[in-house]
Amino acid sequence: QKEVEQDPGPLSVPEGAIVSLNCTYSNSAFQYFMWYRQYSRKGPELLMYTYSSGNKEDGRFTAQVDKSSKYISLFIRDSQPSDSATYLCAMSAIGGYGQNFVFGPGTRLSVLP
Amino acid sequence: DAGVTQSPTHLIKTRGQQVTLRCSPKSGHDTVSWYQQALGQGPQFIFQYYEEEERQRGNFPDRFSGHQFPNYSSELNVNALLLGDSALYLCASSFGQGLVGYTFGSGTRLTVV
Repeated sequence: QKEVEQDPGPLSVPEGAIVSLNCTYSNSAFQYFMWYRQYSRKGPELLMYTYSSGNKEDGRFTAQVDKSSKYISLFIRDSQPSDSATYLCAMSAIGGYGQNFVFGPGTRLSVLP
Repeated sequence: DAGVTQSPTHLIKTRGQQVTLRCSPKSGHDTVSWYQQALGQGPQFIFQYYEEEERQRGNFPDRFSGHQFPNYSSELNVNALLLGDSALYLCASSFGQGLVGYTFGSGTRLTVV
């Protein structure tokens, strides 16, 4: 079993739809959870950062962490064609990047006009 | 303000050859990390440099080596290239281990034939 799993997609939705992206993980020590967006031919950019369990909202984006289920989600409201990208979850047991920071494989999202 | 810049953008090498990739960190950043992202996968941590020394290393063979210069720029060297080394190589910079300010470059696409 991989440490972090994501449905690779591709996920296609119409413009304006609510998108739900999910990751499951196996390491109960993970406490820091991030979502990155990666456009084609670009590096990942940080979208949301959450520590421990709970919800966090930023504009059209909401991140949820359920540590009891080892499950995290990213919701995108009123999706736009500019949201078309690959979304990567990432997590760490301790603060800071490096060898302890694990990325999921990413979900490719297409928002159709 | 320039972000993280990587060069070259693309290159093609033959099996057994050696390659050097370059990274200039974002202004104000002193720590550089390198990642390998195979097609359809999340980034895998290779190593991290701080104060011109390798501070952390992921599960990559000794064929992968690096260097950081006094101006914080960095190089990734890969010797004896294998077909499996074909990937997008990402450089990320930060000031120390800060999570939120971690910035990725657009990467170098390496193809080994």
